[in-house]
Amino acid sequence: AQSVTQPDIHITVSEGASLELRCNYSYGATPYLFWYVQSPGQGLQLLLKYFSGDTLVQGIKGFEAEFKRSQSSFNLRKPSVHWSDAAEYFCAVGAVNDYKLSFGAGTTVTVRA
Amino acid sequence: GAVVSQHPSWVICKSGTSVKIECRSLDFQATTMFWYRQFPKQSLMLMATSNEGSKATYEQGVEKDKFLINHASLTLSTLTVTSAHPEDSSFYICSASTPGDISYEQYFGPGTRLTVT
Repeated sequence: AQSVTQPDIHITVSEGASLELRCNYSYGATPYLFWYVQSPGQGLQLLLKYFSGDTLVQGIKGFEAEFKRSQSSFNLRKPSVHWSDAAEYFCAVGAVNDYKLSFGAGTTVTVRA
Repeated sequence: GAVVSQHPSWVICKSGTSVKIECRSLDFQATTMFWYRQFPKQSLMLMATSNEGSKATYEQGVEKDKFLINHASLTLSTLTVTSAHPEDSSFYICSASTPGDISYEQYFGPGTRLTVT
């Protein structure tokens, strides 16, 4: 079964600074990879996804992620963080022929002025 | 497009009563819907997968007699928490997949916060 590790529980970043959130997955074949963002008390919004093709994926709100098969990683990046980016971020992995997703534990991002 | 709604957004019920949560796909047909449970500051735990017209598949450790899931149509799935107890208090989130979506993306509802007193 597939699994996801998000090593950073909490990250604090200054507004305007760059942000990188780490995600490592475990799966025997090419996975489907997703990054979701959750604001307090809200559902999840998809930032971006990877399932084939270009390993650098562009998403909404200025986010991008890079799939690195050799490192089993799918790290999320944003070059300049805005205060509205403060939220919980979840990495998720899906498997071929299996609609279920496995979520990481999440990373809380705090943005300081 | 691909909007999922949940109702109610929050509910308070007394211990021993049952509560029903609705999950609707508003602008697409969802052959598969998922129900998750999320505890404060924690990740999403998949409870069950439901396919329209068939019985739900529950994850290990989830009591199917306590968490009744019905997926009667391509746009509606319901989760009924029967004989609720304070330990059932949680944030419940549903999601839906569109048929033929090769990326297997799930579209999430806004969640329902259940408090059992």
